[in-house]
Amino acid sequence: DTGVSQDPRHKITKRGQNVTFRCDPISEHNRLYWYRQTLGQGPEFLTYFQNEAQLEKSRLLSDRFSAERPKGSFSTLEIQRTEQGDSAMYLCASSLVVTGQVKMTEAFFGQGTRLTVV
Amino acid sequence: GQSLEQPSEVTAVEGAIVQINCTYQTSGFYGLSWYQQHDGGAPTFLSYNALDGLEETGRFSSFLSRSDSYGYLLLQELQMKDSASYFCAVGLEAGKSTFGDGTTLTVKP
Repeated sequence: DTGVSQDPRHKITKRGQNVTFRCDPISEHNRLYWYRQTLGQGPEFLTYFQNEAQLEKSRLLSDRFSAERPKGSFSTLEIQRTEQGDSAMYLCASSLVVTGQVKMTEAFFGQGTRLTVV
Repeated sequence: GQSLEQPSEVTAVEGAIVQINCTYQTSGFYGLSWYQQHDGGAPTFLSYNALDGLEETGRFSSFLSRSDSYGYLLLQELQMKDSASYFCAVGLEAGKSTFGDGTTLTVKP
């Protein structure tokens, strides 16, 4: 399987605990994105990486959220001191952006990690 | 800020044609994409328009009018498996997108 994979698929945690999700993008893709999706809504952009550099963070991403992509391959998203409002599907996507070509490219999404904070 | 509007629900019968509209207000527009998402599944890319006009991919076509900040997704010869949520998404820069809240398409026999 050469698609985007996310782990775990489901996570139930108690309020106040820390959680970490992992995303493995398509290997040749240089861009990696994290989105959050709640029921009945579209994905909301959280942050993205160009190789290992984090280029932008949404204002949705509070200080409790941190994302890394240490070697420009897989990425982790950590949520500290989880709150019930963090319950959502966390989606990772990747794409290949060619330098100098500023255009939309097809983003491939993983199956997501569904987080439930109880 | 950015906002996109699309109908929340559409119902059609098998074999029919359905059009899902999307209007947007954004800055730094690069293009309009469409994604399909089945319950419990990942969003799957369907099409992308950077320029005005119609793009056709099999049974699916997508249209963009940048002057009207409007686009649509046209699905022909509907099949039961087309029942899903469809999202329009505005590309703000290469790869990063703002999504609408989705249109739930129900295809009936």
